[in-house]
This record gives sequence, C-alpha cells and structure tokens, in this order.
Amino acid sequence: DAKTTQPNSMESNEEEPVHLPCNHSTISGTDYIHWYRQLPSQGPEYVIHGLTSNVNNRMASLAIAEDRKSSTLILHRATLRDAAVYYCIPYFTWGAQKLVFGQGTRLTINP
Amino acid sequence: KAGVTQTPRYLIKTRGQQVTLSCSPISGHRSVSWYQQTPGQGLQFLFEYFSETQRNKGNFPGRFSGRQFSNSRSEMNVSTLELGDSALYLCASSPGPNYGYTFGSGTRLTVV
Repeated sequence: DAKTTQPNSMESNEEEPVHLPCNHSTISGTDYIHWYRQLPSQGPEYVIHGLTSNVNNRMASLAIAEDRKSSTLILHRATLRDAAVYYCIPYFTWGAQKLVFGQGTRLTINP
Repeated sequence: KAGVTQTPRYLIKTRGQQVTLSCSPISGHRSVSWYQQTPGQGLQFLFEYFSETQRNKGNFPGRFSGRQFSNSRSEMNVSTLELGDSALYLCASSPGPNYGYTFGSGTRLTVV
C-alpha cells in the first residue's frame, strides 16, 4: 500500500479558499488518488478522485502534480460545513478493492 | 436515491456474545466493504464483497466474518466479542472500480 503524508491539522476562514496537501511519493502508476472527508459523528464522505489530470466537481478540485507524487485538494470557498477530517488515499483500481485510511488532516473553519 | 443503510445504529453486547450487523447498499452497487473505526487505530479495512464473493480481507482475526446476499445486501458477524471490539463499524458500497465509495452512518457497537 502506498504511504501518504498529510498535515495533522489546518485552519482557515469561512468563504476563503483552502488548499489541503498530500504527499504520496510511493504511489504506483496505476493508483488513483481518492479524497474522502469525515464530518463529526458521520461516516466518511467521498469528495473526489483522479489519476493524472486535474479534476473538478461540485464539491472541490483536485490538482495532481505532474510526477504524481503529490496532490492538493482545493475547496474554493470554505463553509463551516467543510470542517472535517480529510483523507487522501491512493487506490489501486484493479487490485485489492480497499481504502487504506491514514490519519488525515483535521480542517477547522473559523466563522 | 437512498444511501447506504446500516442497522442497527447502536448496539450494546456482553463479552463472549456474538453480533450480526447489516448493510443495505445503494441500489445497483455490487461492491460492499466493511471498515472498523476506533480512536486508537483509526479506520481499518475489514473485508470486501462483490457478487456474493469475498474478494479481499483485512488483518482481523477469524472471529470477524461476513457475507453478501444475491441482492447485494451484506452482513458482518463478530463472534466471542471482546472489549476491544467496541468500535464504529462502517459499510461502504460502490458501483465499480472507477467510482468512489458511499459510506453508511455506521453501527456503534459497545462491548461491556
């Protein structure tokens, strides 16, 4: 399983953009990069995933480095509801179908 | 559309008993996975089923087992409960390998 490194915690202000970094230097060429978040007292929630190109959806954007050893989850305009633990997970689509969760980044949003 | 449904939401059991947890995936999702979440170990993968077959199993003792039915609903069973089995058990489903997983709200198991 590829290892990931994320900051333990980050803090931002409401309505400002947030950039959550993730280092996954041991990722293999066929691993997708998945991001999930977990709000207090809830199960994890899928945010976004990508392979090589930058990806956008209604929740966030995912910027993937050209060498794929790092990625950044971008929340364009944070709200209080975005306060959660964010997990970056390399995911091998055609192998063991499992998500390996690390410690994640605890994001705090200030009003 | 309905999300992933887990029942029951809360459960209290005594050491040595066994427990069965249920998960109904999103309609059309054939892959169902189970995870255990504890404050000390975080989120850990238990097993994954696809079309009634267990494809992958995490590093848990044989007391933890599961199955998937033809309608994709899944159950997990823990026998001879230990205090350390107290955790939030989460089920997740996915329509296929190129998609993300949808998680349920979990079953909070307390072993006393």
